[in-house]
Amino acid sequence: NAGVTQTPKFRILKIGQSMTLQCAQDMNHNYMYWYRQDPGMGLKLIYYSVGAGITDKGEVPNGYNVSRSTTEDFPLRLELAAPSQTSVYFCASSYYPGDDTDTQYFGPGTRLTVL
Amino acid sequence: DAKTTQPNSMESNEEEPVHLPCNHSTISGTDYIHWYRQLPSQGPEYVIHGLTSNVNNRMASLAIAEDRKSSTLILHRATLRDAAVYYCILRDMIYNQGGKLIFGQGTELSVKP
Repeated sequence: NAGVTQTPKFRILKIGQSMTLQCAQDMNHNYMYWYRQDPGMGLKLIYYSVGAGITDKGEVPNGYNVSRSTTEDFPLRLELAAPSQTSVYFCASSYYPGDDTDTQYFGPGTRLTVL
Repeated sequence: DAKTTQPNSMESNEEEPVHLPCNHSTISGTDYIHWYRQLPSQGPEYVIHGLTSNVNNRMASLAIAEDRKSSTLILHRATLRDAAVYYCILRDMIYNQGGKLIFGQGTELSVKP
C-alpha cells in the first residue's frame, strides 16, 4: 500500500491564484481530513469527510473548499490565494474512529507559499 | 474537546527511558487519550492511545493516572530517531464521531547521543 499520498510536494502561488491540493489513499478508509500547520505550531483542521459525498468544516475552513466524490480522493481547493494561506498542508485518513482502531494516517504534506 | 497541557521541550540521552507528561484536568469520561508524534519535515504518526488502563505497543507505553487527569508517554529506550514533537490529544468518542484531532503545540523532544 502507498498509504496517503499528496501532490504536489511544493508549490509557490501568487496572490489571487487558485490551486487544488490532491490527496489520495489506498487503504479503503472512510474518513479523510485536511489539516494545515503554520511554522512552530500544531496542526489545525480545515475540513473533513466521513464518506463519499459527505464533508464538514473544521476549525479554519475559510478560503478553502473540498469535495469527496470517491472513497479514495479528497482534494482541497484554494480560491484566491492569500499570504495567510502560506503553510504546510497535511491530508490524513482513518478507517473508522472507533475505540481500538482509532488511528489517523498522515500524508507527507504539501508546502505552499503564497507571495 | 478538552484541553491538554504539555511542556514545550524536553531533553533525553540516547538509550535512556523518556517520560513525556501530559495534563488534562478537564477530561471527560468519554475522552480517549491519544499520542501522535511528528518527526522533522514529516506528517504526524500515531503512537498510542488509551482510555483508562495502561497500554503498551511496540513503540511506547501509555501510563494513565487513576483519576485520568494526567498521563505519561514512556519511550523505553530513546534513540536519535525518536527526536520529534510529541502531541497529547483528547478525543471524545461520543461527541466527536467525525474523529477530528485537535492538536496543541506538543513537546519537542531532543535526544543527545
